[in-house]
Amino acid sequence: NAGVMQNPRHLVRRRGQEARLRCSPMKGHSHVYWYRQLPEEGLKFMVYLQKENIIDESGMPKERFSAEFPKEGPSILRIQQVVRGDSAAYFCASSPGFGTGNTIYFGEGSWLTVV
Amino acid sequence: DAKTTQPPSMDCAEGRAANLPCNHSTISGNEYVYWYRQIHSQGPQYIIHGLKNNETNEMASLIITEDRKSSTLILPHATLRDTAVYYCIVRVNYGGSQGNLIFGKGTKLSVKP
Repeated sequence: NAGVMQNPRHLVRRRGQEARLRCSPMKGHSHVYWYRQLPEEGLKFMVYLQKENIIDESGMPKERFSAEFPKEGPSILRIQQVVRGDSAAYFCASSPGFGTGNTIYFGEGSWLTVV
Repeated sequence: DAKTTQPPSMDCAEGRAANLPCNHSTISGNEYVYWYRQIHSQGPQYIIHGLKNNETNEMASLIITEDRKSSTLILPHATLRDTAVYYCIVRVNYGGSQGNLIFGKGTKLSVKP
């Protein structure tokens, strides 16, 4: 049973370019979460999605950041016009969304470097 | 903000039990206690969770006090590979915005030879 898959693992972008990070949840999971970890800092919640629906985006920056989880395909975290401060590790997680377990499992992360 | 309090760091000798405490005095009746760990430069790894009964799995044991205001994660025989930051988190275990994981600063466990 494959875990949460994230790609790319490492991404380098120049200032002003766009970054797209992809996340495929575990099989049978319909809920996806995105977290950001700045260098030497803790994990910060960004957004929580079900297929075709945003449940909670209270942690998303108001500008340049967007996320989607379409009916088919992976969840996408999109960062437009990247700046150096966007350099961070971005972790995706997934859960079934129901049941006594409903445990959230994380991927290995995507490391974004803005130069 | 995180609803838990953990010591910032702990040391443990290799082969000994590591006991990591967590205070969650404002836990609600429908909130579970979850433990994760993050080894340097890796994604957070789920360890264990519980509601009010003690739990054990292949990785660890979780002891929750009767009043549910605190808990202890026990790694029975710590190895060098258990060196990580350990996070104690309370959350409801169903969907919806309350089902998020809100990470605090955790406890940095250093296992020493």
